[in-house]
Amino acid sequence: GAGVSQSPSNKVTEKGKDVELRCDPISGHTALYWYRQRLGQGLEFLIYFQGNSAPDKSGLPSDRFSAERTGESVSTLTIQRTQQEDSAVYLCASSLVAPPLHFGNGTRLTVT
Amino acid sequence: GDSVTQMEGPVTLSEEAFLTINCTYTATGYPSLFWYVQYPGEGLQLLLKATKADDKGSNKGFEATYRKETTSFHLEKGSVQVSDSAVYFCALSTDDYKLSFGAGTTVTVRA
Repeated sequence: GAGVSQSPSNKVTEKGKDVELRCDPISGHTALYWYRQRLGQGLEFLIYFQGNSAPDKSGLPSDRFSAERTGESVSTLTIQRTQQEDSAVYLCASSLVAPPLHFGNGTRLTVT
Repeated sequence: GDSVTQMEGPVTLSEEAFLTINCTYTATGYPSLFWYVQYPGEGLQLLLKATKADDKGSNKGFEATYRKETTSFHLEKGSVQVSDSAVYFCALSTDDYKLSFGAGTTVTVRA
């Protein structure tokens, strides 16, 4: 079956603009995660959705970051007023309930 | 909080060499431990896992043993191939959903 799909694969934006990143999880996976991977660094947890429960937003670095998920389907991660330090690969992952996670190929965001 | 420390890279070695990537962790409770691999141009994928002390995870010739006494989960492979060139991430989970990752170790295997 299809894996986790993320779009776009690459995004270049100007500082101050808003961007929206999309994630299509594996069908039937109730859990969805967003991580950020800065160059040369490990993965930083951003946000976690599980079914209709309240999301765990503890990893969002600032109020410029937000994410939504409708039910058990698509999720969008929005970054408002982008800054250069937001440049990173944004990874989405899904799982049935708990780890192991299945990752998408990521969206490489470059803020100029 | 929970954290993972893994051997810094990059690591370069020849085909058929022995590979070890060290990973130690700090966690409350009893974490599950994972190794993920990211091949060039691909997404992260689970390589192996262990859920309790003394468990050994294995896959594709790689092995790692959950050592509670040393809080370690070192990854080993006895004879690497060029196709093993990738970035390897150690990770843990203590609350059944959130994974904490190490910084990753880049491995390059030369023919």
